[in-house]
Amino acid sequence: ETGVTQTPRHLVMGMTNKKSLKCEQHLGHNAMYWYKQSAKKPLELMFVYNFKEQTENNSVPSRFSPECPNSSHLFLHLHTLQPEDSALYLCASSGGLAGARAGELFFGEGSRLTVL
Amino acid sequence: GENVEQHPSTLSVQEGDSAVIKCTYSDSASNYFPWYKQELGKRPQLIIDIRSNVGEKKDQRIAVTLNKTAKHFSLHITETQPEDSAVYFCAASLGTGTASKLTFGTGTRLQVTL
Repeated sequence: ETGVTQTPRHLVMGMTNKKSLKCEQHLGHNAMYWYKQSAKKPLELMFVYNFKEQTENNSVPSRFSPECPNSSHLFLHLHTLQPEDSALYLCASSGGLAGARAGELFFGEGSRLTVL
Repeated sequence: GENVEQHPSTLSVQEGDSAVIKCTYSDSASNYFPWYKQELGKRPQLIIDIRSNVGEKKDQRIAVTLNKTAKHFSLHITETQPEDSAVYFCAASLGTGTASKLTFGTGTRLQVTL
């Protein structure tokens, strides 16, 4: 248990559906991230939130809409996705308390998204 | 922006042998270089990191080296064991403050055979 939980673990949706991914961290971190992991590609940073404020939007299409209501919760709202958006979406947090290596990202298990 | 290249993409070694994974980065301002291990179906986890004020760091069977002049860094695993089989990602960033942006390499799939 790393303290970062993601739901759902698996999601299948059609291109016209609207769904959301949820991430919750219990580590007292201040920053939260969404990464996209596709086969044979590097982990792609999508969004960064620091103290609930978005500090990075890495040219992500508007069909992905993040929401960070507080430092412990992060959502990724999905609508009108394309089949090429199928991937593993990883949430992470950082900015930890004493004992954590500075800069270390703590990842969740990921949400495997399939767009039909 | 930063660009990180990682080689090889796959690596197969026999148990007990050493494994070396190499990465290069483009932004000379980058000063933090972590390595993450991702076992099949699991989340990536930090295994070791190095900052630009040191050239080498070791933790038991794992070591990292950094050459700032050439802008490359490497992961060395000695006496490999089957449980070392995983995908390894290198990364680079400027700073380690909260919300720092890590740029990852494409990953190396390491297979340790008996």
